[in-house]
Amino acid sequence: GQQLNQSPQSMFIQEGEDVSMNCTSSSIFNTWLWYKQDPGEGPVLLIALYKAGELTSNGRLTAQFGITRKDSFLNISASIPSDVGIYFCAGQGAQKLVFGQGTRLTINP
Amino acid sequence: NAGVTQTPKFQVLKTGQSMTLQCAQDMNHEYMSWYRQDPGMGLRLIHYSVGAGITDQGEVPNGYNVSRSTTEDFPLRLLSAAPSQTSVYFCASSYTNNQPQHFGDGTRLSIL
Repeated sequence: GQQLNQSPQSMFIQEGEDVSMNCTSSSIFNTWLWYKQDPGEGPVLLIALYKAGELTSNGRLTAQFGITRKDSFLNISASIPSDVGIYFCAGQGAQKLVFGQGTRLTINP
Repeated sequence: NAGVTQTPKFQVLKTGQSMTLQCAQDMNHEYMSWYRQDPGMGLRLIHYSVGAGITDQGEVPNGYNVSRSTTEDFPLRLLSAAPSQTSVYFCASSYTNNQPQHFGDGTRLSIL
């Protein structure tokens, strides 16, 4: 089946640093989504991207839909402790979402 | 606004037992889905439904059954639990199949 390659798998950073993660696919998607999951909870939608080349921000978060429609990246600026969690990319395929493996973000105060 | 509600939150089963995981949403969403989450593997789609009376298989459907008799509810059944089904199960819903999905808080299932 379709697979998304998300990297890095984990990140250990200092508070205040910027973060960048990305997702690539062998298939084209018409929608890219970024979710965040806190421990013991379900994923929560952060950003949705609907057009190739689109750059969208949500506070300190910025995500882009790659021009080839096969990739997307998420940036977090000036990280804070509550940014800790697992970030998932997802591509919207026919009838279903395909998820990346996740990026686990740890922040040292 | 309850959103997507999953019950139970935790469950321990013995191999061979059957169980139904419940999922309900109050947002009048047509599309509902079930995922399992295992370490290092992200979320994998088990079954999904585009509306009442319609269900289809996802990536990992074996060992699971679903039904969609109402718009609000989408239960997931394990007919004969196996240790390989130990996982965290998430239900999600959206207005249509190409809209972002909203997730419940999950059911943590352990099978001994």
